[in-house]
Amino acid sequence: DTEVTQTPKHLVMGMTNKKSLKCEQHMGHRAMYWYKQKAKKPPELMFVYSYEKLSINESVPSRFSPECPNSSLLNLHLHALQPEDSALYLCASSQDIRLVAEAFFGQGTRLTVV
Amino acid sequence: AQSVTQLDSQVPVFEEAPVELRCNYSSSVSVYLFWYVQYPNQGLQLLLKYLSGSTLVKGINGFEAEFNKSQTSFHLRKPSVHISDTAEYFCAVKRDYGGSQGNLIFGKGTKLSVKP
Repeated sequence: DTEVTQTPKHLVMGMTNKKSLKCEQHMGHRAMYWYKQKAKKPPELMFVYSYEKLSINESVPSRFSPECPNSSLLNLHLHALQPEDSALYLCASSQDIRLVAEAFFGQGTRLTVV
Repeated sequence: AQSVTQLDSQVPVFEEAPVELRCNYSSSVSVYLFWYVQYPNQGLQLLLKYLSGSTLVKGINGFEAEFNKSQTSFHLRKPSVHISDTAEYFCAVKRDYGGSQGNLIFGKGTKLSVKP
């Protein structure tokens, strides 16, 4: 199983809503990532978790709150978002942040903030 | 600091023609390079990677890339493209964080459009 599964595939939310994005992998990977991708742009790193601990936060606004409940799951909690936060949110995992190994990406969640 | 430059934002090509997508990198340390493909409304899929060893790397879907240290390049090639190869292609380099291997830094992407 080399899949990273993201739910939901599409999400529309208002600026006052609270929602969560979910990501799951069963490859035994200990590094998990959240990326944000705007249209016609490359993915931009938001957060990195290593062994369920937040390792990197790329100065992301606090309206985005990551959570790693266990080694297979990664959540991104959303609150009070702005329309400019509309984007494709990609989850990825890799074997270990200390190893040179490729990242496996999920299909993404297309988020629209209205 | 490491960075990646993809020289072409768009590459139109006819079906069954060869194609080369260009990627140059800058790094003061050892580099680890990747090519990913993104089909419309999809996530990213790894095409191939260079970590060490042979400079000619073969990947999926008939793609290959050559690591050229003297020219700091990692160009992606395919001898004969298909309509289904139409997608966005990203070159990426692995970034170091304080001595440990970190995350990927992506180029801006090249949109490959294959026409019949």
